[in-house]
Amino acid sequence: DAGITQSPRHKVTETGTPVTLRCHQTENHRYMYWYRQDPGHGLRLIHYSYGVKDTDKGEVSDGYSVSRSKTEDFLLTLESATSSQTSVYFCAISVRRKSSYEQYFGPGTRLTVT
Amino acid sequence: AQSVTQLGSHVSVSEGALVLLRCNYSSSVPPYLFWYVQYPNQGLQLLLKYTSAATLVKGINGFEAEFKKSETSFHLTKPSAHMSDAAEYFCAVSDSPGGGADGLTFGKGTHLIIQP
Repeated sequence: DAGITQSPRHKVTETGTPVTLRCHQTENHRYMYWYRQDPGHGLRLIHYSYGVKDTDKGEVSDGYSVSRSKTEDFLLTLESATSSQTSVYFCAISVRRKSSYEQYFGPGTRLTVT
Repeated sequence: AQSVTQLGSHVSVSEGALVLLRCNYSSSVPPYLFWYVQYPNQGLQLLLKYTSAATLVKGINGFEAEFKKSETSFHLTKPSAHMSDAAEYFCAVSDSPGGGADGLTFGKGTHLIIQP
């Protein structure tokens, strides 16, 4: 257990509304990530962070923004939700193990945009 | 750019039979490779990883994978399938250890079905 929580775990929202998903870690790891999972696509990286206020875009960043004002929290915002953003969202952290790193994932947030 | 191809979106095996899940990667630099398992309505759990220390990697739950550079493959195997192995399996690649700053690139996943 890497101490990752995500909130909310489930959310239904309407098209055009803003949505913020929260990822919280308890161990002050530097790297954090947001992925989305869709059937037939596996997981795709949305944004990642390598420190407080240091973030960058991933493969599918359009329509999403992120913020990291504290080491333990990484927020994902959909400024104006669309139906194509219906998905399961996973947060992850990178943890050093021996001579390399491993990514650990949170339990996910299921978002439905109607 | 790196990529991962998992052959077979669904694989069905009988309980007690060999499990073989295929993964081929593309990377311009020596890769770091990972296998994850996802049980229904849960997050992803790391099964094993390849970081160039050894080509045959042993993971949790009796799984292992062999890195073959000449074939650009990292197939996942288990000698004897159990009903509890039924899940979605993902292969992932990174050009930095554990994703580093750049995250992981995932395959599309293989759904493993275990027949009684």
